[in-house]
Amino acid sequence: DAKTTQPTSMDCAEGRAANLPCNHSTISGNEYVYWYRQIHSQGPQYIIHGLKNNETNEMASLIITEDRKSSTLILPHATLRDTAVYYCIGEIQGAQKLVFGQGTRLTINP
Amino acid sequence: GAGVSQSPRYKVAKRGQDVALRCDPISGHVSLFWYQQALGQGPEFLTYFQNEAQLDKSGLPSDRFFAERPEGSVSTLKIQRTQQEDSAVYLCASRRDGEKLFFGSGTQLSVL
Repeated sequence: DAKTTQPTSMDCAEGRAANLPCNHSTISGNEYVYWYRQIHSQGPQYIIHGLKNNETNEMASLIITEDRKSSTLILPHATLRDTAVYYCIGEIQGAQKLVFGQGTRLTINP
Repeated sequence: GAGVSQSPRYKVAKRGQDVALRCDPISGHVSLFWYQQALGQGPEFLTYFQNEAQLDKSGLPSDRFFAERPEGSVSTLKIQRTQQEDSAVYLCASRRDGEKLFFGSGTQLSVL
């Protein structure tokens, strides 16, 4: 699994777009980029994933650079409920082990 | 069920006691994972099951930790002779092959 690097913490104002970066320079061609988030006292929750095309769902957008060495998770209109730790993970689909790093602690401020 | 269910939600054990943590995965999910999460850290992989077969137990920290999934559905993580360093949140996750993981809310274990 690719090693990922994320900032330790970020702040964002409520209602603004939150852009969370992730570096995964060692990602291999068959590894997907997955994003999960963990709200206090809960288990991690899946957000989105992609291989090389940008992806969008009801929760977020995922922008992957053309060389696939980095990606950005975008929460378009952050709310207080988006305050959580966000994890970026490189995974071969169906892998037997998902390796979480330290993640980014995102705080949405009113 | 609607999601991954873990019990108990909280467990307090005296040092040296044995504990058993239960995980009910989503029905039909072939893969089941156990993770350990220390305070302020990301989840650390413990072990992985595909149906009843334990295919990877490389993350189990010692031989005091044992996991089973005898019928390919419910799983139990057992910790023998608990130590203070075992205090953590234990997370269970399940998925169909190749799809996203669904996590339970975890069991918070405190060893006194």
